[in-house]
Amino acid sequence: AQSVTQLGSHVSVSEGALVLLRCNYSSSVPPYLFWYVQYPNQGLQLLLKYTTGATLVKGINGFEAEFKKSETSFHLTKPSAHMSDAAEYFCAVSDMVTGGGNKLTFGTGTQLKVEL
Amino acid sequence: DGGITQSPKYLFRKEGQNVTLSCEQNLNHDAMYWYRQDPGQGLRLIYYSQIVNDFQKGDIAEGYSVSREKKESFPLTVTSAQKNPTAFYLCASSTGGQVSGNTIYFGEGSWLTVV
Repeated sequence: AQSVTQLGSHVSVSEGALVLLRCNYSSSVPPYLFWYVQYPNQGLQLLLKYTTGATLVKGINGFEAEFKKSETSFHLTKPSAHMSDAAEYFCAVSDMVTGGGNKLTFGTGTQLKVEL
Repeated sequence: DGGITQSPKYLFRKEGQNVTLSCEQNLNHDAMYWYRQDPGQGLRLIYYSQIVNDFQKGDIAEGYSVSREKKESFPLTVTSAQKNPTAFYLCASSTGGQVSGNTIYFGEGSWLTVV
């Protein structure tokens, strides 16, 4: 079964600083990887995803992630944090399910705090 | 607007009662899912359905039931057999098929509290 590990349940950065949220995956097949963001009391919104092709994936709100097969990693970065980036971030890996289609297996999440 | 609508947003349940959470989507997606979210544990899959009149258990199906009578609707019933039902419940949907890179879209969630 596929799995993901997010290192650091809480990350704090200053406004304008680099954001780095870590995600490592375990997969027996080439993975499809996702990053989602969740604001308080809301659902999840897709930031970006990696399926095939270019290993550097650009997403919404200035975020990007790089797929590194040799390190089994898919870390999320943003060059300059903004107060509005404060939220919880989830890394997920896609897995096939019975009958076709896919499900997501999630990491435990990283809460990002942005300070003035 | 296209999207996934969950209702109610907040629900309180007495011990021993069954409650049903509604999920409707107008995205014309074949696949629908229910996830449970607990603090510090991420999201865990309860049930999923790839097509009308068919559904499969996820990782934590005990104490839950679902139906899929219409393509756009996938209600979740939390039964009295669920030992610890207080949680945030998220409904999701995606296009079906064999491609496992399909994006899964989420509703706004429903809070269930046992009182």
